Amino acid sequence: AQSVTQPDIHITVSEGASLELRCNYSYGATPYLFWYVQSPGQGLQLLLKYFSGDTLVQGIKGFEAEFKRSQSSFNLRKPSVHWSDAAEYFCAVGSGTYKYIFGTGTRLKVLA
Amino acid sequence: EAQVTQNPRYLITVTGKKLTVTCSQNMNHEYMSWYRQDPGLGLRQIYYSMNVEVTDKGDVPEGYKVSRKEKRNFPLILESPSPNQTSLYFCASSPDRGRTDTQYFGPGTRLTVL
Repeated sequence: AQSVTQPDIHITVSEGASLELRCNYSYGATPYLFWYVQSPGQGLQLLLKYFSGDTLVQGIKGFEAEFKRSQSSFNLRKPSVHWSDAAEYFCAVGSGTYKYIFGTGTRLKVLA
Repeated sequence: EAQVTQNPRYLITVTGKKLTVTCSQNMNHEYMSWYRQDPGLGLRQIYYSMNVEVTDKGDVPEGYKVSRKEKRNFPLILESPSPNQTSLYFCASSPDRGRTDTQYFGPGTRLTVL
């Protein structure tokens, strides 16, 4: 069965430090992968997505993600975190039957 | 402004009292979907719709109904709410079939069932 795993429930980083949020997926075919961000009290907003082609994907707000088929991973990165990046981050995969499967989320805290 | 709207934003109700949460999008999107968000469980898809009059079950459809009579609207109906349906609900839409498209989310509806 398709699934998405985000192993880190909470992550704390200092402002200006680099960030990597992990995402592993289980899917039999070519996955359609997404990262969304949810700011406190808000809906979700797309950061970036991967369908095919270049495995390093650039998104909004300075985020990027790298698709690694051999590791079934789609980790999100940012070189220098800003206090405004504090939010919850969700990885998702689009499945073959028009369903979306989301991970359980990683809550990011940024220390000043 | 392109957006997905949900009403109400907050609702407290009692077990068994039928309720409807409305969802409307003004982007002429084909695909619409409902999710519930619970701590530690992330977002789980309840129902989705590929087009008018075409709906299908997501991963957690029990206790919910939907309808898609117009392209812009996709209401979520709880005919006999129970406390385990207390959750944060999101409606989303996307231009095409959803699997490969960006989803645009509404602001959420926080439902409490006593």
